[in-house]
Amino acid sequence: ETGVTQSPTHLIKTRGQQVTLRCSSQSGHNTVSWYQQALGQGPQFIFQYYREEENGRGNFPPRFSGLQFPNYSSELNVNALELDDSALYLCASSLVGKVTGELFFGEGSRLTVL
Amino acid sequence: AQSVTQPDIHITVSEGASLELRCNYSYGATPYLFWYVQSPGQGLQLLLKYFSGDTLVQGIKGFEAEFKRSQSSFNLRKPSVHWSDAAEYFCAVGAGTGNQFYFGTGTSLTVIP
Repeated sequence: ETGVTQSPTHLIKTRGQQVTLRCSSQSGHNTVSWYQQALGQGPQFIFQYYREEENGRGNFPPRFSGLQFPNYSSELNVNALELDDSALYLCASSLVGKVTGELFFGEGSRLTVL
Repeated sequence: AQSVTQPDIHITVSEGASLELRCNYSYGATPYLFWYVQSPGQGLQLLLKYFSGDTLVQGIKGFEAEFKRSQSSFNLRKPSVHWSDAAEYFCAVGAGTGNQFYFGTGTSLTVIP
């Protein structure tokens, strides 16, 4: 069974740039959620994708966008990067989109914005 | 709105000692409650969860947690801590029909020999 994999593991960008983070869900999981974890904070829900459509969104601006592909993998895109976007971005896959479904997390992509 | 409070930012315990990590939540209905552990450079791993029924739930690695509705708490316990338990621990709550988890700010656990 393949777990959740994320790429890249680390990256550095400058303000105003755009970034794309990638996530491969665990085998058999059709739902992907993205969370932002700032330093010293708990993860915050960005959005969830189910059947290639956004299925819920947290309190993040539209410059955070995503995609889910037919193989259930997903991308998180952030435009016009700001310093406060520096964080660990966690992808989690699940078999069920509801909170009753266990989340399986990847190791994250650490983004530094200079 | 749902929220989770973990009052202890950092806890240090001796190996072999007991452990209790506190978690308080805010949610109007019966919540779905979770404890996750995050080791350095790792993603979050589920330790245990509470949905309904017995208020004392057992998890992996010898952890247990007790749901107390009257105190809006879901504290994590372990009778004897091992050095490998050093990590960051997050309490989370999920709202009934929703798909969003709300995490606390975490408690960092240090285990000393």
